[in-house]
Amino acid sequence: KAGVTQTPRYLIKTRGQQVTLSCSPISGHRSVSWYQQTPGQGLQFLFEYFSETQRNKGNFPGRFSGRQFSNSRSEMNVSTLELGDSALYLCASSPGGRMNTEAFFGQGTRLTVV
Amino acid sequence: GQNIDQPTEMTATEGAIVQINCTYQTSGFNGLFWYQQHAGEAPTFLSYNVLDGLEEKGRFSSFLSRSKGYSYLLLKELQMKDSASYLCAVAIYSGGYQKVTFGTGTKLQVIP
Repeated sequence: KAGVTQTPRYLIKTRGQQVTLSCSPISGHRSVSWYQQTPGQGLQFLFEYFSETQRNKGNFPGRFSGRQFSNSRSEMNVSTLELGDSALYLCASSPGGRMNTEAFFGQGTRLTVV
Repeated sequence: GQNIDQPTEMTATEGAIVQINCTYQTSGFNGLFWYQQHAGEAPTFLSYNVLDGLEEKGRFSSFLSRSKGYSYLLLKELQMKDSASYLCAVAIYSGGYQKVTFGTGTKLQVIP
């Protein structure tokens, strides 16, 4: 059974640009959550998608957005990049019923904004 | 919102026992997770406690006290490969769904 796949693994962007990250969950999983991880802040929740609908959202500005497709793959977009957006972006996949249990994380996308 | 506290760093000796504490303040509490994350890798699930008490799984055990807002992860017979960050995460039930919030993690260094 394939794990959670995130692409690309590494990305360097310039301030002001926009970026799109992709996450393919484990087959059969319908919930995809996105997190930003930085050394000082730890894992910060961005949003969760279930069946193509955003059902939970963290406290990030509107520059951070996402979507989920009918095959459960999800994309996250960050517009007008800032230096502070440099981080490891992780997505987590779970079956997605009313009661989530463990989440399976991808290897992450390391975004560097210069 | 949720407030989750865990020590930033800990050091322990190979073969010893270490306890990593996590305290939290939240409403709608619906369970607590522990994840392990090696440097440069994805977090991996260790345990989930929703009821008070101790859950043992091999060398790792996790304890929860809901009334005290307190959990710990106990690692026995430490091995060098246990050097990693340990993330405490609190689940809350809100609006019909479960939402998980992570602490900042405890970086454990195991020394010979």
